[in-house]
Amino acid sequence: GAVVSQHPSRVICKSGTSVKIECRSLDFQATTMFWYRQFPKQSLMLMATSNEGSKATYEQGVEKDKFLINHASLTLSTLTVTSAHPEDSSFYICSATIPTDSSKNIQYFGAGTRLSVL
Amino acid sequence: GQSLEQPSEVTAVEGAIVQINCTYQTSGFYGLSWYQQHDGGAPTFLSYNALDGLEETGRFSSFLSRSDSYGYLLLQELQMKDSASYFCAVSLSNSNSGYALNFGKGTSLLVTP
Repeated sequence: GAVVSQHPSRVICKSGTSVKIECRSLDFQATTMFWYRQFPKQSLMLMATSNEGSKATYEQGVEKDKFLINHASLTLSTLTVTSAHPEDSSFYICSATIPTDSSKNIQYFGAGTRLSVL
Repeated sequence: GQSLEQPSEVTAVEGAIVQINCTYQTSGFYGLSWYQQHDGGAPTFLSYNALDGLEETGRFSSFLSRSDSYGYLLLQELQMKDSASYFCAVSLSNSNSGYALNFGKGTSLLVTP
């Protein structure tokens, strides 16, 4: 089955630092990946759609200069939280779809990254 | 705007059947999905309906009525391991390839002995 790897699983950083999160599709090529944010006991909120070779599409209210997304290859998308602050502390999850199997729009999720900003 | 409504919590006994409802309001609709998420884990795909009717996958079934903007997830022969959060999600048209998902707030299912 399709496997999406996300790294790191947990990061603790000081306020003002930048944190990079990687999302990799291990056994398929993903032209499109999605980044979500999830607060405890709450839903997944779509932050942006990441497209290989082009700029990401951000959802309303998501600061693109704050959350930098790069999709440099068909198997890797990165999310960089720049100048992180405590309010950025959250669970960040990526997902990917298999381009040749879009009939059910199945999204394969990474295990998530729990970011804690002190 | 987009909105999805589902119960916040459901409790059921091991071996029983439980139904989790989802109603939605969207400006564009391509299908209704269901995902399971255990605490601290990744959401995993359970079922998808693009057309009206029932889809059955093992112990899990999902139903959709597009005219009513309503769907449900049915879990049969409940097991303790089914205790998790269940999210309904609407597939949205996206200007890029692939469809983004708009998730409901999730239903926390607790299965008791």
